[in-house]
Amino acid sequence: NAGVTQTPKFRILKIGQSMTLQCAQDMNHNYMYWYRQDPGMGLKLIYYSVGAGITDKGEVPNGYNVSRSTTEDFPLRLELAAPSQTSVYFCASTRLAMDYEQYFGPGTRLTVT
Amino acid sequence: TQLLEQSPQFLSIQEGENLTVYCNSSSVFSSLQWYRQEPGEGPVLLVTVVTGGEVKKLKRLTFQFGDARKDSSLHITAAQPGDTGLYLCAGPPSGSRLTFGEGTQLTVNP
Repeated sequence: NAGVTQTPKFRILKIGQSMTLQCAQDMNHNYMYWYRQDPGMGLKLIYYSVGAGITDKGEVPNGYNVSRSTTEDFPLRLELAAPSQTSVYFCASTRLAMDYEQYFGPGTRLTVT
Repeated sequence: TQLLEQSPQFLSIQEGENLTVYCNSSSVFSSLQWYRQEPGEGPVLLVTVVTGGEVKKLKRLTFQFGDARKDSSLHITAAQPGDTGLYLCAGPPSGSRLTFGEGTQLTVNP
């Protein structure tokens, strides 16, 4: 199993550009999550999904959108990138909500200039 | 308002020393988790504690869940440079998601 994969690993965007961060898992997990981590800080939940076709907002959803058309994939869309979105983005998944053990991808480092 | 407060925020020690980091909340949690994150990587789960007063050991790491399930601690004995990383506690405030503390950045110098 590859676990949770994320692409790209690094990206530089200009202000106002858009992009999609890809996340995929091959563990047949129902629950998937997107976090952002600013330097030296913990993780803030952006969006999460409890299954295909179901998504919900986390703590910091503004400026982002998600979709979940399959169990495996959970892309994160940034529209009109702003410098405040410079961060490291982590995707995670878990088998069952009650387990809460989250498996994380390696992250995407995004810089908006 | 931070649901989970971790302390200290930074800790730099010499190899062989012992240390304790703390995770505190005013809320009761059904469980708490500890993750370790190394530079350039995603967090990796170390342990989950679910019962008030529970103590779990993972080699030189000892995890404790408070009796009232509002706090947890991580104690490392004879720290090694390989223990260097960001230690995060996390708990489920509700539903199917976790809230994370801000983390303790540990540096163990050879």
